[in-house]
Amino acid sequence: EVQLVQSGAEVKKPGESLKISCKGSGYSFTSYWIGWVRQMPGKGLEWMGIIYPGDSDTRYSPSFQGQVTISADKSISTAYLQWSSLKASDTAMYYCARVDGYNYVSDYWGQGTLVTVSS
Amino acid sequence: QSALTQPASVSGSPGQSITISCTGTSSDVGGYNYVSWYQQHPGKAPKLMIYDVSNRPSGVSNRFSGSKSGNTASLTISGLQAEDEADYYCSSYTSSSTSVVFGGGTKLTVL
Repeated sequence: EVQLVQSGAEVKKPGESLKISCKGSGYSFTSYWIGWVRQMPGKGLEWMGIIYPGDSDTRYSPSFQGQVTISADKSISTAYLQWSSLKASDTAMYYCARVDGYNYVSDYWGQGTLVTVSS
Repeated sequence: QSALTQPASVSGSPGQSITISCTGTSSDVGGYNYVSWYQQHPGKAPKLMIYDVSNRPSGVSNRFSGSKSGNTASLTISGLQAEDEADYYCSSYTSSSTSVVFGGGTKLTVL
């Protein structure tokens, strides 16, 4: 069974750093892309970027380029989303998803990680 | 890149059919058959319902169907059921950023 399990909710202060994770199981982790999607409170889905764990090829949506870092450790089947200096506007639910690199379909999703940034 | 355009809300009675539209450009919806639809219930992760315009993943009811004409894709739900009440999002590959773009989402209310 394909599963993506994300790390737990985080509460941080503005300016702090953060790295959240997404662990894949039940499939070949290095054969599919992992994507990250943001959902701000009461708002829609926003595509952030994707990474191919096989060779760490990473592609960012223009809106998120330079704002976050996506990485992966294929030895432990885990992808990451990282911030170096959080802002209050980063408060959102973040989802990871398994992405087919051919048609960019997100067929399996993690349960989401809620990030709250508040002073 | 700009989000794809969806109606904010649609509604229908049990048993009826509804259609949700998703309008983009020739750089995304109109240029590729890579349109997907996702269902999201409150507090839950999105679920893939349709991919490649009109294909259903295993386990998704055949009451859900997708189509495309020009720059507009559509999701049709027939035989509406209470459990279909949710938010629906379309997405498409976009060549403008070699990325994915989502629609703004449509809230479906089953009356």
